[in-house]
Amino acid sequence: EPEVTQTPSHQVTQMGQEVILRCVPISNHLYFYWYRQILGQKVEFLVSFYNNEISEKSEIFDDQFSVERPDGSNFTLKIRSTKLEDSAMYFCAGRGGSNQPQHFGDGTRLSIL
Amino acid sequence: QKEVEQNSGPLSVPEGAIASLNCTYSDRGSQSFFWYRQYSGKSPELIMFIYSNGDKEDGRFTAQLNKASQYVSLLIRDSQPSDSATYLCAVTSTDKLIFGTGTRLQVFP
Repeated sequence: EPEVTQTPSHQVTQMGQEVILRCVPISNHLYFYWYRQILGQKVEFLVSFYNNEISEKSEIFDDQFSVERPDGSNFTLKIRSTKLEDSAMYFCAGRGGSNQPQHFGDGTRLSIL
Repeated sequence: QKEVEQNSGPLSVPEGAIASLNCTYSDRGSQSFFWYRQYSGKSPELIMFIYSNGDKEDGRFTAQLNKASQYVSLLIRDSQPSDSATYLCAVTSTDKLIFGTGTRLQVFP
């Protein structure tokens, strides 16, 4: 069964550095999402992406965050200048057409030192 | 603020019993409802989704939806120790998912 693939599985970065989290969605998915989960807390929506543009973003997704799908396969989340509070699991998700459920990748654990 | 509420648990049931997990949501405009299972340190794994009032069964799992009461539930029949995990209720708001905090289920032998 096809899967959403995320790399790296764990990223350790110094505060203030830029990080790029990568996702390869399932090939027939059309809608893409990033969520994060701070340890012990609920899964939170960051951003949705469709037809090569952002559909919706949350208050968390400020100017330090950006997403792109540069080559039609990889879907990336960039954090320009990381803060300690960015430490979390970051999940990529995707879905096909209308009324299809979202499927999640295995996540990237981001640790900011 | 659109919310999804779940009892954090833990809910402890013996092996072979029925586990009943509940969820309420605040947004009457929500159209789609999901149950995900999350093992510690892992990603959410889709278990069930339901869009219409009533029951939907898939193997040992039954999802129940009551839009008038803004209530979703998940029943797990013949619970197994491998079902021990956190169960996340999620509802759609526009296109995104709003998650509850999850209910931790413990199935003991």
